[in-house]
Amino acid sequence: RKEVEQDPGPFNVPEGATVAFNCTYSNSASQSFFWYRQDCRKEPKLLMSVYSSGNEDGRFTAQLNRASQYISLLIRDSKLSDSATYLCAVPSGGYSTLTFGKGTMLLVSP
Amino acid sequence: GAVVSQHPSRVICKSGTSVKIECRSLDFQATTMFWYRQFPKQSLMLMATSNEGSKATYEQGVEKDKFLINHASLTLSTLTVTSAHPEDSSFYICSARRRDSPYEQYFGPGTRLTVT
Repeated sequence: RKEVEQDPGPFNVPEGATVAFNCTYSNSASQSFFWYRQDCRKEPKLLMSVYSSGNEDGRFTAQLNRASQYISLLIRDSKLSDSATYLCAVPSGGYSTLTFGKGTMLLVSP
Repeated sequence: GAVVSQHPSRVICKSGTSVKIECRSLDFQATTMFWYRQFPKQSLMLMATSNEGSKATYEQGVEKDKFLINHASLTLSTLTVTSAHPEDSSFYICSARRRDSPYEQYFGPGTRLTVT
C-alpha cells in the first residue's frame, strides 16, 4: 500500500450536494491527519486537522477509521467555491514531515 | 495567524543560472521549514526539511549541492537552485511549522520557476 492514497477524481457534484472523499494511509502508528485544500496553481491551505476520531467545522466533517486506516472528508451543502483539490496529509519519518496524497479534485456545478 | 510569504512568486531564468527563493514566516517563529516541489497534476514532493541553525535534511534523490538551503533565522529560509536546467521548472512551495504546533504546516504562496 502506498503511504497515502487518494482517489484523484474528479468528483462532479451539483450545488447543495453532499460529497465524501477517502484517504488511506499505510502507517498504522500515525496519530494525526490533515486535510488541505489546494486551488489551481495556488498553495495548499490547511482545512482541518484530525487528532482523534474526527473533527467538524461547519459544513466540513473529517472522520478517522483506524481499523481500516483511512480518513474521510465530508462536505455538506456543496458550494461552487468548494471546487478545488483536496489533499490528505499524514505525518511520516520522524513525525516532523508530512506525506501528501495526490489529491482528490472536486468540481461543484450550478 | 500563521502567514508565510514567498518571494519571488514567479521567475523565468536561462539554463545554467542560479535562482534564490525566499520563504518567510511573518507572524510566528518557525523552528522548521519545509521545501516542496510540485509538477503539474502531481502531488507535493518534499525536497528537504530545514531546521533553524542546522543543516537541512534532504529527501532521497534530491541533490543537496544543487538545491542549497539556508535557514539562518526563525523566520527566514532560502532555497537556491544552482545551475538550473529546464527539468527544474516546477512549482516550489515552502511551508513552516509553528513552534507550538508539532505537525501542522502553513504554506507560502509558492514560486513558479521556468527555466528556458
